Amino acid sequence: AQKITQTQPGMFVQEKEAVTLDCTYDTSDPSYGLFWYKQPSSGEMIFLIYQGSYDQQNATEGRYSLNFQKARKSANLVISASQLGDSAMYFCAMREDFGNEKLTFGTGTRLTIIP
Amino acid sequence: ETGVTQSPTHLIKTRGQQVTLRCSSQSGHNTVSWYQQALGQGPQFIFQYYREEENGRGNFPPRFSGLQFPNYSSELNVNALELDDSALYLCASSPGLADFQETQYFGPGTRLLVL
Repeated sequence: AQKITQTQPGMFVQEKEAVTLDCTYDTSDPSYGLFWYKQPSSGEMIFLIYQGSYDQQNATEGRYSLNFQKARKSANLVISASQLGDSAMYFCAMREDFGNEKLTFGTGTRLTIIP
Repeated sequence: ETGVTQSPTHLIKTRGQQVTLRCSSQSGHNTVSWYQQALGQGPQFIFQYYREEENGRGNFPPRFSGLQFPNYSSELNVNALELDDSALYLCASSPGLADFQETQYFGPGTRLLVL
């Protein structure tokens, strides 16, 4: 079974609209962390937001928020007021092992913002 | 800018050759991880080093090896290159504080093409 599933290979969104990128995960560990990264065409992975498995509140970082539904094992990224510079690949990732920092990534969603 | 640099940016090798990729982490970052990202896929964890010792390995054969040096630089070596080794290789560094929330900072990657 896939550990991280991103079911939207590509999305097109009008500038200034909000967009939700889906992510579901699979783990039997009670402790884990969930991350979202942005990857522009240059290749560098840019950290956006983090949600811990025991966090009671949904994480927010500026225009980014995470809709964390633990029972459904989903951690969707919400980008408010999208901008042209948001066009990129977006990856959801999970860390399960406290002893090392291995991240397991999904296959990503390519987001294109339309002017 | 994450403060993580990688060299070279691009590389072309032929099957059977050996390659060394280099990464320079942020000062004070004791952990470095290497990932392989094939075209259209998410990054796959190769291995991680903490204070110059390997501290976790993904599902990669022994011909993938690494080194981490005291000056916060590291190397990924791949022997007997195969066509499927063609990918973007990313290194990521972090302080190594054993915290689920700890963010990994990625470099821009090295694009390797094996002919």
